[in-house]
Amino acid sequence: SQQGEEDPQALSIQEGENATMNCSYKTSINNLQWYRQNSGRGLVHLILIRSNEREKHSGRLRVTLDTSKKSSSLLITASRAADTASYFCARGFKTIFGAGTRLFVKA
Amino acid sequence: GAGVSQSPRYKVAKRGQDVALRCDPISGHVSLFWYQQALGQGPEFLTYFQNEAQLDKSGLPSDRFFAERPEGSVSTLKIQRTQQEDSAVYLCASTSGLAIDTDTQYFGPGTRLTVL
Repeated sequence: SQQGEEDPQALSIQEGENATMNCSYKTSINNLQWYRQNSGRGLVHLILIRSNEREKHSGRLRVTLDTSKKSSSLLITASRAADTASYFCARGFKTIFGAGTRLFVKA
Repeated sequence: GAGVSQSPRYKVAKRGQDVALRCDPISGHVSLFWYQQALGQGPEFLTYFQNEAQLDKSGLPSDRFFAERPEGSVSTLKIQRTQQEDSAVYLCASTSGLAIDTDTQYFGPGTRLTVL
């Protein structure tokens, strides 16, 4: 079963803008992972943030984690058309939260 | 191979037919996972292997679903007497180690199963 939600469900932005998507969950976690899925490359792991971390960066990606609010956010800076995809957060290996956020970046 | 491969990529079955979906993980990867992804939804865990041992099958939706990995490499997900609600993309993933909670999972392209 899926135990959390990403929001927004869909996001449409212009190339160059930043995109922020959020993830909420209900139970305690050891870590949280973000994935991207598009038709070309399938499901790809982006970043893992541990429960004792508050922020993590990887290239144009910035992930924050607030365990007190049971939420995480993924920020993509200076978005590109190639960032168009669905983004999912996941706890451990058994549960992928919600239906993901569908990001569309217009060139 | 360079990545996880799955075959067939597309499968159309008539209701009641049995199907077998194959996953070839990255060579040497110890852990292997199967997920089911319905249209417009995120993947949902089905089962997990460590080498040839099936350590968790809590996500299999019914006893019509069966998975095996007899030699600790290639895995097959079998669905017997397929139903329309089995229509989904079936994803396979593998990881190199045993730290399944933190190891990066490498996903295959999936098999899209359509049951008519």
